[in-house]
Amino acid sequence: GIQVEQSPPDLILQEGANSTLRCNFSDSVNNLQWFHQNPWGQLINLFYIPSGTKQNGRLSATTVATERYSLLYISSSQTTDSGVYFCAVAPGTASKLTFGTGTRLQVTL
Amino acid sequence: KAGVTQTPRYLIKTRGQQVTLSCSPISGHRSVSWYQQTPGQGLQFLFEYFSETQRNKGNFPGRFSGRQFSNSRSEMNVSTLELGDSALYLCASSLGRGADTQYFGPGTRLTVL
Repeated sequence: GIQVEQSPPDLILQEGANSTLRCNFSDSVNNLQWFHQNPWGQLINLFYIPSGTKQNGRLSATTVATERYSLLYISSSQTTDSGVYFCAVAPGTASKLTFGTGTRLQVTL
Repeated sequence: KAGVTQTPRYLIKTRGQQVTLSCSPISGHRSVSWYQQTPGQGLQFLFEYFSETQRNKGNFPGRFSGRQFSNSRSEMNVSTLELGDSALYLCASSLGRGADTQYFGPGTRLTVL
């Protein structure tokens, strides 16, 4: 099956700093989503981005499908950005998402 | 629109018992997928239901089963619970056209003693 690798596994930032999270995947995909898991466990949709670039406030994402990677940018980080960020992908028309192991982000004052 | 809802939010069971979890998708969504999250295995796909039929299945034993009703609500059942079934169970809903955005519910945290 498709493999998904995320880096870095852990990240500690001071409030106001910027960061880039990376997701590499082993095969072509038609679905790629970025999620933020909050402390209560809910997965919050950030982006649906199988290709191209999107921005939403301080967050933006870019997927280069031909090179099989996606990047999530967080600018001017805030303590509320803390949590685990997951990348998940699916090939073809499949609904089954394969998740990476996540990046745990801690933003300190 | 209301989001995905899951009930119950927390559950404590003992080994050998069975459990049923419920998921109500976003109105208009016809696909419901279930995932299990554990510290050791991460997030793993259990199965997907679309129009009351199982459309995809992950690599879980037959103790894990599910169904979907005509209103798209879905239930998953785990029989003969084992300690290793302790996990966060998440359901996701989507329109069901294939490569759709999936929206997750808050999850049911199951503890097996």
